[in-house]
Amino acid sequence: AQTVTQSQPEMSVQEAETVTLSCTYDTSESDYYLFWYKQPPSRQMILVIRQEAYKQQNATENRFSVNFQKAAKSFSLKISDSQLGDAAMYFCAYRSDYDGQNFVFGPGTRLSVLP
Amino acid sequence: DTAVSQTPKYLVTQMGNDKSIKCEQNLGHDTMYWYKQDSKKFLKIMFSYNNKELIINETVPNRFSPKSPDKAHLNLHINSLELGDSAVYFCASSQVGHGPGELFFGEGSRLTVL
Repeated sequence: AQTVTQSQPEMSVQEAETVTLSCTYDTSESDYYLFWYKQPPSRQMILVIRQEAYKQQNATENRFSVNFQKAAKSFSLKISDSQLGDAAMYFCAYRSDYDGQNFVFGPGTRLSVLP
Repeated sequence: DTAVSQTPKYLVTQMGNDKSIKCEQNLGHDTMYWYKQDSKKFLKIMFSYNNKELIINETVPNRFSPKSPDKAHLNLHINSLELGDSAVYFCASSQVGHGPGELFFGEGSRLTVL
């Protein structure tokens, strides 16, 4: 079974600075998808960014980018120019392309943004 | 127009009672899910339905019974509520088989059992 690990339970960053959240996963599969979700205090789960494992190019969405290292099974999220609204729980998630219905989530990283 | 909507948003009830949470998605997705988020924020899948067929049924007490009348709806009924059932329950949907198939979540239903 696949597992997703987020080794940083909590992180903090100064407003306008850059922060990187770590995620590693364990799988024997070659085709899969990776996601980062954000959960602000409103508790709504919001998709931040997605990455297809077959793509070598790292995904970017405005201030959010990933560093996808397939061999190392690592999928970190970089937030540039951090804003107060970025404060939230961030969850890394894995979806197999073979058993597509099952998403596996990491335990989450709580990000605080300091003014 | 909300893509995945679930009701109610909040439930407060006594131990032993029965409660239901309803979920509807208007995205045309084939697959719907129930996730439980505990007080430590861990997200754990409970059930998954694909076109009204139960696909994933994790180790969940049989007091929890999902029902999917059609592919746009997935309801969750909980019998004989216990203190440990207090959590946030998320409904989600996805379209698996066409690209990433990311999850679209409802706003969550916070259940408090007293």
